[in-house]
Amino acid sequence: DAGVIQSPRHEVTEMGQEVTLRCKPISGHDYLFWYRQTMMRGLELLIYFNNNVPIDDSGMPEDRFSAKMPNASFSTLKIQPSEPRDSAVYFCASSHSGNSYEQYFGPGTRLTVT
Amino acid sequence: SQKIEQNSEALNIQEGKTATLTCNYTNYSPAYLQWYRQDPGRGPVFLLLIRENEKEKRKERLKVTFDTTLKQSLFHITASQPADSATYLCALLPNSGYSTLTFGKGTMLLVSP
Repeated sequence: DAGVIQSPRHEVTEMGQEVTLRCKPISGHDYLFWYRQTMMRGLELLIYFNNNVPIDDSGMPEDRFSAKMPNASFSTLKIQPSEPRDSAVYFCASSHSGNSYEQYFGPGTRLTVT
Repeated sequence: SQKIEQNSEALNIQEGKTATLTCNYTNYSPAYLQWYRQDPGRGPVFLLLIRENEKEKRKERLKVTFDTTLKQSLFHITASQPADSATYLCALLPNSGYSTLTFGKGTMLLVSP
């Protein structure tokens, strides 16, 4: 199994631009999570999906952030417009409901907004 | 408010010694507590899970304890090796059906040869 796949691995963009992060979860997993990690705040949950349906997006910082999961094998996190304070590492993770909540993380996307 | 606290200072130990990392929490009644390892530039990797009714769990050189009275978990690595150097995160799952993990900020462990 290839594990959770994220792209791009690094993204540098200018303030005001749209950024789209992509995630392919592990096949057969029914939960997908988007996290953001910074030194100051640690690992924060942004949103999670169960069977492709968004369940809790209370961690999404603002309306500039949106996430979709059109099918079981693909999800996107979009920031529009991006701001310098969005600079962080964004992780996607997936899990299976029958697996004691163990989460499998992707390698992350390091986003830098200048 | 709910808090998870891990020592923000790095733990430096010598190879062969036992490393002990601490995770304290307040205003939680966790059903599960998990430990993850994170290497620089990589995502966290699941190591161990312990349930609220379990006192101790072991896996090879790893041992986790869970004291719901003290609201504390200890994570031990015995016979530590330089390859164990990483950041270790604890994560709690609240005791309210399937919900989401809340992570501590992690403690960096440095094992010197």
